[in-house]
Amino acid sequence: EPEVTQTPSHQVTQMGQEVILRCVPISNHLYFYWYRQILGQKVEFLVSFYNNEISEKSEIFDDQFSVERPDGSNFTLKIRSTKLEDSAMYFCASSETGMGYEQYFGPGTRLTVT
Amino acid sequence: RKEVEQDPGPFNVPEGATVAFNCTYSNSASQSFFWYRQDCRKEPKLLMSVYSSGNEDGRFTAQLNRASQYISLLIRDSKLSDSATYLCVVNPLGNQGGKLIFGQGTELSVKP
Repeated sequence: EPEVTQTPSHQVTQMGQEVILRCVPISNHLYFYWYRQILGQKVEFLVSFYNNEISEKSEIFDDQFSVERPDGSNFTLKIRSTKLEDSAMYFCASSETGMGYEQYFGPGTRLTVT
Repeated sequence: RKEVEQDPGPFNVPEGATVAFNCTYSNSASQSFFWYRQDCRKEPKLLMSVYSSGNEDGRFTAQLNRASQYISLLIRDSKLSDSATYLCVVNPLGNQGGKLIFGQGTELSVKP
């Protein structure tokens, strides 16, 4: 069964550093998403991406964040100048279409900012 | 009012029990609804979509009441493996962005 994959599974970084989280969505899916979950809190939407551009982004997704699809398979989330409060699980998801279609999540990257 | 609100947990039930989870959502224009399950520190896994007419998948039954902005999930004959956090999830506008809004989740613990 096709699945979303993410690397690394765990990333530790120092405050102020830049990190890149990587995702490989399911191959025939067209919509890609990033969510995050701070420990003990609910899953929160960050950004959606379609046709090589951002479709929608949340208030959390400020200038510190960017997304990119550098090639035909990878989808990345870059966090510049990380802060302690960026520590969270970051989940990538993909869906065949965007309009209410089911989204499938990757296993997540646990980001720890020290 | 929270965008998606769920029953507080945890629910502790014996194997074989029937358990029901409820969820309300605030945006009446919401188009799509889902139940996901999440095991500790793992990714949300899609359990089922929720359709207006209600739908069933094995031991799981989902219902939607648009007038009351209410979604439910019924689990029959609970198994130990059903222990997880159940997430009520709403696509608020059904737009091309496909953004999902998650509830806080309800924890289920099934005991032998």
